[in-house]
Amino acid sequence: DAGITQSPRHKVTETGTPVTLRCHQTENHRYMYWYRQDPGHGLRLIHYSYGVKDTDKGEVSDGYSVSRSKTEDFLLTLESATSSQTSVYFCAISNWDNSYNEQFFGPGTRLTVL
Amino acid sequence: AQSVTQLDSHVSVSEGTPVLLRCNYSSSYSPSLFWYVQHPNKGLQLLLKYTSAATLVKGINGFEAEFKKSETSFHLTKPSAHMSDAAEYFCVLINNDMRFGAGTRLTVKP
Repeated sequence: DAGITQSPRHKVTETGTPVTLRCHQTENHRYMYWYRQDPGHGLRLIHYSYGVKDTDKGEVSDGYSVSRSKTEDFLLTLESATSSQTSVYFCAISNWDNSYNEQFFGPGTRLTVL
Repeated sequence: AQSVTQLDSHVSVSEGTPVLLRCNYSSSYSPSLFWYVQHPNKGLQLLLKYTSAATLVKGINGFEAEFKKSETSFHLTKPSAHMSDAAEYFCVLINNDMRFGAGTRLTVKP
């Protein structure tokens, strides 16, 4: 998976608790992305980063925050998890943010909010 | 508005028969289009991409796709399905961002 790891791989938590998911890359790629995958929706972009401390919102950013203090790490935080945030979360990396370059995806984190 | 529609949520074929996964798009600009594959409990892997060069694009594992501007389509095909092709396939439209289709689950019967 192109030197991308996600942790944890599975997590079960309760409504109202904070949750942080970690994406770690060893490729030194500039761009990092967080997606969620839900049946019938494909993947939807939550947030992305175009450099250390540089982040922006995606299509479904409400209820999520991100941070990137190092090139290799991109954290996704659910400040107060809700059942609607039960999903599979994928991190992706890319070296160029243009239409010609693919994104490489991590193995995913399955999050269940009870 | 930019969008991508995968016309079938589930396709079932027999091993050795052709595969056709359909994708239509809507874009105000000349698009780039990708197909990704996701095997069970795995991340996504790029199969092939169209970036305004040749309209017939060949990818990995014997897959290919043809960009047809007049039909706003980018259908994925393979002449002969293999059991290992069973997976979920995503058509992706790229302009300023990546727009994923809802996915097509391919089942391959022995």
